[in-house]
Amino acid sequence: DTEVTQTPKHLVMGMTNKKSLKCEQHMGHRAMYWYKQKAKKPPELMFVYSYEKLSINESVPSRFSPECPNSSLLNLHLHALQPEDSALYLCASSQGRTDTQYFGPGTRLTVL
Amino acid sequence: DQQVKQNSPSLSVQEGRISILNCDYTNSMFDYFLWYKKYPAEGPTFLISISSIKDKNEDGRFTVFLNKSAKHLSLHIVPSQPGDSAVYFCAASDMGSQGNLIFGKGTKLSVKP
Repeated sequence: DTEVTQTPKHLVMGMTNKKSLKCEQHMGHRAMYWYKQKAKKPPELMFVYSYEKLSINESVPSRFSPECPNSSLLNLHLHALQPEDSALYLCASSQGRTDTQYFGPGTRLTVL
Repeated sequence: DQQVKQNSPSLSVQEGRISILNCDYTNSMFDYFLWYKKYPAEGPTFLISISSIKDKNEDGRFTVFLNKSAKHLSLHIVPSQPGDSAVYFCAASDMGSQGNLIFGKGTKLSVKP
């Protein structure tokens, strides 16, 4: 089983809202990732957690705040987003940092 | 500067024939390569990978070839099926550098019945 689940599937929010994206995997993977994908572009890495510790933050604005409550869960807290932040947000996980990454279905975010 | 390039934005193939998707890279430190398939509004699905110690890896209808001297890899799908129609992303990583994946821009494959 290589399933990564993400909720919600779709999210529409205003620029003053606070919302969270959730990601879950039960494969025992110790590395989890957030990517952002705009239309007709490749996924771009945002954050990497390894053993529940943030190991990479690819210069992402502070209006995006990741959290890893335990080894199976990864959250992305959103606050004061801009319309240009509208995109598909993908979560991925892998056994270790250098192993194959498996992606979730994504959350389609629209910021009004 | 793009480190992973997929120069064909789209490819159209007849059902039953071979699909060949190409990918070039510039970073000689890359030592692990993957292909992902993506349908609209879904996450990428892992297809097949190859490490730099091999030049070919096969899994059913999918074969990946790696030419290290040319910094080129290709994905062959034989025979192509209409359900293969999707965007295919090539990705590369340098295992010695924590394995961050660098994706190409993708090639949209259309398999016509």
